[in-house]
Amino acid sequence: SQQGEEDPQALSIQEGENATMNCSYKTSINNLQWYRQNSGRGLVHLILIRSNEREKHSGRLRVTLDTSKKSSSLLITASRAADTASYFCATASGSIQGAQKLVFGQGTRLTINP
Amino acid sequence: EPEVTQTPSHQVTQMGQEVILRCVPISNHLYFYWYRQILGQKVEFLVSFYNNEISEKSEIFDDQFSVERPDGSNFTLKIRSTKLEDSAMYFCASSGTSDQETQYFGPGTRLLVL
Repeated sequence: SQQGEEDPQALSIQEGENATMNCSYKTSINNLQWYRQNSGRGLVHLILIRSNEREKHSGRLRVTLDTSKKSSSLLITASRAADTASYFCATASGSIQGAQKLVFGQGTRLTINP
Repeated sequence: EPEVTQTPSHQVTQMGQEVILRCVPISNHLYFYWYRQILGQKVEFLVSFYNNEISEKSEIFDDQFSVERPDGSNFTLKIRSTKLEDSAMYFCASSGTSDQETQYFGPGTRLLVL
């Protein structure tokens, strides 16, 4: 079965630095999405990149996708204390016209130190 | 901004009891999902639902689980006879026809089975 696996499992950086998280998966996908989860809370959708895209930006977020290596990275620039959270990649499969199942990785726990 | 809501936020139940978790998806969305996250583990797909029927279900979603859209706004997950291992955070999500790939998650219901 396909999996999204993030690395590192935990990352601690100083405020203002950039944070990079990586995700690998195993099978073909329609798209890959990144979500944020604050402790004990719901999942917030950050960004989606389709299988035919290589890079996407949204504010301080930059996502890359390499389908030949089955990997993606999420870069958060100029980190802030409020970015402290767990970040998950999720791969989507299923009919493009229908409901798509998301398969989540274990996540990266990001801590931004003031 | 429209959001997915879930009730209750917390539920404690005795093993063997039935529970119903409720979700109100975003109003113009047509695809609905349930996921769960056992403490410290990955978010796992349970079931997807479209056009009043299940689109896909995981191995976790056995005969003890059922979903229903009883009216135009609610989407429910029923666990018929809860087990200790059903203790988890349960997330509802929905996606729309114009952007069916992006799933919007509710804040979750934390279920504790004693």
